[in-house]
Amino acid sequence: SYELTQPPSLSVSPGQTARISCSGDVLSNRYAYWYQQRPGQAPVLLIYKDTLRPSGIPGRFSGSNSGTTVTLTIAEVQADDEADYYCQSVDNSLSYAVVFGGGTTLTVL
Amino acid sequence: QVQLVQSGAEVKKPGSWVRVSCRVSGGPFSETVSWVRQAPGQGLEWVGRIIPIPGITNYAQKFQGRVTISADTATGTAYLDVASLTSDDTAMYFCARDNPTGSYVWGQGTLVTVSS
Repeated sequence: SYELTQPPSLSVSPGQTARISCSGDVLSNRYAYWYQQRPGQAPVLLIYKDTLRPSGIPGRFSGSNSGTTVTLTIAEVQADDEADYYCQSVDNSLSYAVVFGGGTTLTVL
Repeated sequence: QVQLVQSGAEVKKPGSWVRVSCRVSGGPFSETVSWVRQAPGQGLEWVGRIIPIPGITNYAQKFQGRVTISADTATGTAYLDVASLTSDDTAMYFCARDNPTGSYVWGQGTLVTVSS
């Protein structure tokens, strides 16, 4: 099976930088996507194709890729950034089955 | 502006089946629609997808044979059928519109509760 591994939780103070990692073998040849999910809401696309931001997403959110690990960076963290963050990719089979990481809960202290 | 509107909450008995709908408006009904579920307090889990035209489907391996995704191009509605329900199927079910940029629009979610 294809797995994506994220840290379960991360805590940062307002104004600091948060970095959330996502590791998996598929990331060496598949793009990663990042989603933010606030409590009781549907996920929102933050980053696509490893590093690109959809329109409307603040520049404080950025993505990077280094082989089998991708990283979501949130600069100048605000209280409103407190949410769950999920990485996503597809497996290497012909069906391109979607795989999600387990999610990281970001707490703003 | 593309919007996805899902059907309302459902309460089902174990062993029964449920249908959740997702109506797509504000754009062509040709892009992929994915279904993702989230059990209470848990992470996101991909269920499967459909390309409405020509109706090609893919399913996560764990749901093969128990889940059916379909689409009505006349009404712009996608459907998720889940059979042989157990308490483990209690979850929020989301539909999402996909393109090469990812799942860029999501429905509001449909809570399915399986309880005797």
